[in-house]
Amino acid sequence: QSALTQPRSVSGSPGQSLTISCIGTSSDVGGYNYVSWYQQHPGKAPKLMIYDVNKRPSGVPDRFSGSKSGNTASLTISGLQAEDEADYYCCSYAGRYTLWVFGGGTKLTVL
Amino acid sequence: EVQLVESGGGLVQPGGSLRLSCAASGFTFRSTFSNYWVHWVRQAPGQGLVWVSRMDSDGRIISYADSVKDRFTISRDNAKNTLYLQMNSLRAEDTAIYYCVLSEIGHWYFDLWGRGTLVTVSS
Repeated sequence: QSALTQPRSVSGSPGQSLTISCIGTSSDVGGYNYVSWYQQHPGKAPKLMIYDVNKRPSGVPDRFSGSKSGNTASLTISGLQAEDEADYYCCSYAGRYTLWVFGGGTKLTVL
Repeated sequence: EVQLVESGGGLVQPGGSLRLSCAASGFTFRSTFSNYWVHWVRQAPGQGLVWVSRMDSDGRIISYADSVKDRFTISRDNAKNTLYLQMNSLRAEDTAIYYCVLSEIGHWYFDLWGRGTLVTVSS
């Protein structure tokens, strides 16, 4: 059982917007502004999409955005495209003893 | 462009040992291997990601997940741009793809990922 809770799957049509939630606790998501999101296509390595809650690395489309409210972080993808179909994982720093915790992953399907 | 290539995975019996390596390349004079913290993150078949271990840039700060503490040892050789994970007393639940990951100093997230190496613990 993962420390952070994500929906197992979400789906949307091309052009639509959707949001993936990531529920943690005050010891991780709620306690630090160090939430990150990773995209993983089948058989590939994960790729950083969002860091520090809402920042995008160079090269990541601005269709991807992140936010946080209390113990829940969210990844929003607008203008959904076929290549966005992948697994998405949230991650949070959780202090000096636990360090980093991940969510169980969300499979995004583009209909 | 920085690239990470893991090696050393394979099939091992329960109780056995393996040593994983991760060779990093593509650094510039502005950014070298020693500018990064190094991590291992694993993914069991069909499962999610789990952070395993980390080491700071000069090897003085080391941390492990409880599930591998006292069995796994992380190390690095900055002269060779290489990261290692010595895994002892392996268990079936250690079966996973092991990813080598880099974080720039001060980054509380995972910047760069290798393609992973599969470790299978089975009799």
